[in-house]
Amino acid sequence: GENVEQHPSTLSVQEGDSAVIKCTYSDSASNYFPWYKQELGKRPQLIIDIRSNVGEKKDQRIAVTLNKTAKHFSLHITETQPEDSAVYFCAASKWRSNDMRFGAGTRLTVKP
Amino acid sequence: DGGITQSPKYLFRKEGQNVTLSCEQNLNHDAMYWYRQDPGQGLRLIYYSQIVNDFQKGDIAEGYSVSREKKESFPLTVTSAQKNPTAFYLCASSIGAGARDTEAFFGQGTRLTVV
Repeated sequence: GENVEQHPSTLSVQEGDSAVIKCTYSDSASNYFPWYKQELGKRPQLIIDIRSNVGEKKDQRIAVTLNKTAKHFSLHITETQPEDSAVYFCAASKWRSNDMRFGAGTRLTVKP
Repeated sequence: DGGITQSPKYLFRKEGQNVTLSCEQNLNHDAMYWYRQDPGQGLRLIYYSQIVNDFQKGDIAEGYSVSREKKESFPLTVTSAQKNPTAFYLCASSIGAGARDTEAFFGQGTRLTVV
């Protein structure tokens, strides 16, 4: 099955700086890569996703890049704010499969 | 926060007892999942179901069982065979196989503690 690795496990940045979280996956057939944000005591929620037919996607301060050849994808958060502090999970799956596997998570702390 | 509901929020179990965690969704989703969340280990897939009366093992299915008799419901039973059941359990659902958008919607979770 799919194996997703995520780095770093913890990340601390100063408010206004950028944060980058990286994930690698093992199954070359995977073609859907979502990112979830889990605030303390809350459920994970989708913040952005990318499919294998594109290399980059942006949504305001958040962007995701995908390198299918190298089988890695990254989450970029610019101009970080304290409310960005949370645990972020990457995941990988295939469109016609519901076998979605998650990375171990990254705890992001944005210091004011 | 409608859509997918887990109950109870907190659950205590004595060693050697089976316990069932409830997950209900009214999103008309075909696919449902159970994940276990432990500190530093992210979300590990226990079981998933793509359609009623069908389910597949995930990475850590040992000691767990599920059923999918109704589209809306996907209960998880933690059996006495599960060696380390104390954890936070998350249920999720998505539209289903073949759908372009496979975003997963999560419940609020159940924290199970073995005493």
